[in-house]
Amino acid sequence: GNSVTQMEGPVTLSEEAFLTINCTYTATGYPSLFWYVQYPGEGLQLLLKATKADDKGSNKGFEATYRKETTSFHLEKGSVQVSDSAVYFCALTRPNFGNEKLTFGTGTRLTIIP
Amino acid sequence: EAQVTQNPRYLITVTGKKLTVTCSQNMNHEYMSWYRQDPGLGLRQIYYSMNVEVTDKGDVPEGYKVSRKEKRNFPLILESPSPNQTSLYFCASSAGQGQYFGPGTRLLVL
Repeated sequence: GNSVTQMEGPVTLSEEAFLTINCTYTATGYPSLFWYVQYPGEGLQLLLKATKADDKGSNKGFEATYRKETTSFHLEKGSVQVSDSAVYFCALTRPNFGNEKLTFGTGTRLTIIP
Repeated sequence: EAQVTQNPRYLITVTGKKLTVTCSQNMNHEYMSWYRQDPGLGLRQIYYSMNVEVTDKGDVPEGYKVSRKEKRNFPLILESPSPNQTSLYFCASSAGQGQYFGPGTRLLVL
């Protein structure tokens, strides 16, 4: 079946540091890949996505590249800010008979220190 | 503003007392879904709906019911809640790639 593995948290960084959150996946065929972000007390928001191999998703300074050869979709940001503190979820979907079910990783909590 | 709304946001109840969590979206999306979020387990799908009057089970449907009488609404029903249904619940809707999530409903069953 489909699965997503994220690096364990929590991750604590200083402001302006470089961020990488690792994500690898297992799926048959060609899934679409996503990063969602959950700020404290809020629901999940779509951060970025990639729908085919070698696609790069980007938003708010975050980037992730769909690597089929390594089945990975690592999230990166060159200079993090305190406002980036949140929980980040890697996810995939393989629509099956209309079910767009997202399979999530367990989430990585990121804390940025001023 | 495009959004998914859920009510209530917080609920404390007792075992066996029927409850309904409402979900509404204003984007005319055909697809809607319910997830629960538990520590260490991420989010897991409970039920989903591809359109009005079309619903199906997700990964963890036991103890839950849903209905889809109108396109915008997708309520989650717990006929006889139990403590193992204490969780954070999210409704989501979609018209294709990428889902919009509601703000969540935190449920405590005593």
